[in-house]
Amino acid sequence: QVQLQESGPGLVKPSQTLSLTCTVSGGSISSGGYYWTWIRQHPGKGLEWIAYIHHSGSTYYNPSLMSRVSISVDTSKNQLSLNLGSVSAADTAVYYCAKGDTFGIRFDSWGRGTLVTVSS
Amino acid sequence: EIVLTQSPGTLSLSPGERATLSCRASQSVSSNYLAWYQQKPGQAPSLLIYGTSSRAAGIPDRFSGSGSGTDFTLTISRLEPEDFAVYFCQQYGSSPPLVTFGGGTKVEIK
Repeated sequence: QVQLQESGPGLVKPSQTLSLTCTVSGGSISSGGYYWTWIRQHPGKGLEWIAYIHHSGSTYYNPSLMSRVSISVDTSKNQLSLNLGSVSAADTAVYYCAKGDTFGIRFDSWGRGTLVTVSS
Repeated sequence: EIVLTQSPGTLSLSPGERATLSCRASQSVSSNYLAWYQQKPGQAPSLLIYGTSSRAAGIPDRFSGSGSGTDFTLTISRLEPEDFAVYFCQQYGSSPPLVTFGGGTKVEIK
């Protein structure tokens, strides 16, 4: 089973861009036809799907975040990346990367998550 | 966008009791597109049930899912100490793809 590990700054200033990386091990990010995904969880709250990317390059975004989000895959490094622009305190959350199935319907492997706090 | 409403917000039960968790959708959801996750404190969610009623690998058979249309249920037949956690339902909508989660139900020890 693949393993996922998020990394990036734990503190971002308001209006700046939040950038995170997810390193995939135990399997190639470019094989299997899976959907590689970012999901976040506000402190003490529920889960919010941000976006996912298919190994073919197709990307899909949550409409509520679409104007500020981009995701990409670096197959040479076996990494998934997230950029979220113009952040505010409302973007403070634990950010998870996850592996979706071949249809993007469910998520069967998750990273441990990384807490990102937006504060000056 | 399909909204998922989970109830109750908190379920207080004793080990050995039966837990019944509800997930109600604002519009009909294909049974193929409804999943449940378990999240323990300080951990990432983990897939429990997919396709409404199929258990993920390694999930014991005390966990079962059912439902159709707008009403779905996760049942834990006899609570074990390790089952006290938060449970989320999740649906997938196509054209374009959109994933939403319910707000969660916390199953706590009474």
